[in-house]
Amino acid sequence: KAGVTQTPRYLIKTRGQQVTLSCSPISGHRSVSWYQQTPGQGLQFLFEYFSETQRNKGNFPGRFSGRQFSNSRSEMNVSTLELGDSALYLCASSQMGVATEAFFGQGTRLTVV
Amino acid sequence: DQQVKQNSPSLSVQEGRISILNCDYTNSMFDYFLWYKKYPAEGPTFLISISSIKDKNEDGRFTVFLNKSAKHLSLHIVPSQPGDSAVYFCAASVSMTTDSWGKLQFGAGTQVVVTP
Repeated sequence: KAGVTQTPRYLIKTRGQQVTLSCSPISGHRSVSWYQQTPGQGLQFLFEYFSETQRNKGNFPGRFSGRQFSNSRSEMNVSTLELGDSALYLCASSQMGVATEAFFGQGTRLTVV
Repeated sequence: DQQVKQNSPSLSVQEGRISILNCDYTNSMFDYFLWYKKYPAEGPTFLISISSIKDKNEDGRFTVFLNKSAKHLSLHIVPSQPGDSAVYFCAASVSMTTDSWGKLQFGAGTQVVVTP
């Protein structure tokens, strides 16, 4: 059974640009959550999608957005990139998004210069 | 507001011995807990989980203990192996309120080094 796939693995962007990251969950999983990991803040929850609907959102500015498609694949977009957005972005998939194991992808390392 | 705390940033243990990692939480609504292992620049790997209706769960070399009254959980790894050297995160979630679904709260992690 294939795991969670995130693309691309690495990205370098310039301040002010926008970026789109992709996540393909484990087959049969309907919940996709996104997290940001930085050395100073640890793993921070961005948002969660279930059946194409955003059910939950963390404390991040509106520049961070996402969506989920009918096949459960999810994309995350960051507009007007800032240097502080440099981080490892992780997505996690689970069957229902509650009281169950969540499995993570390898992450996308975003560097903003 | 750090609701999940791992107060030991690092742990060194000899190969073959037991590793004990600790995690404390403050939110009494947490009812599902998970442990992950993480290597640098990779995503966390799921290890084991426990529901608040249990006080122990075991899977191979990994055992998680939950003490709800103390709001404390621990992960035991027996025996420790060199490949266990990684950062370990505990995470917690709430299932009873819809605005918590899909969200895991993570501790800061404990770096484990297993020496030969």
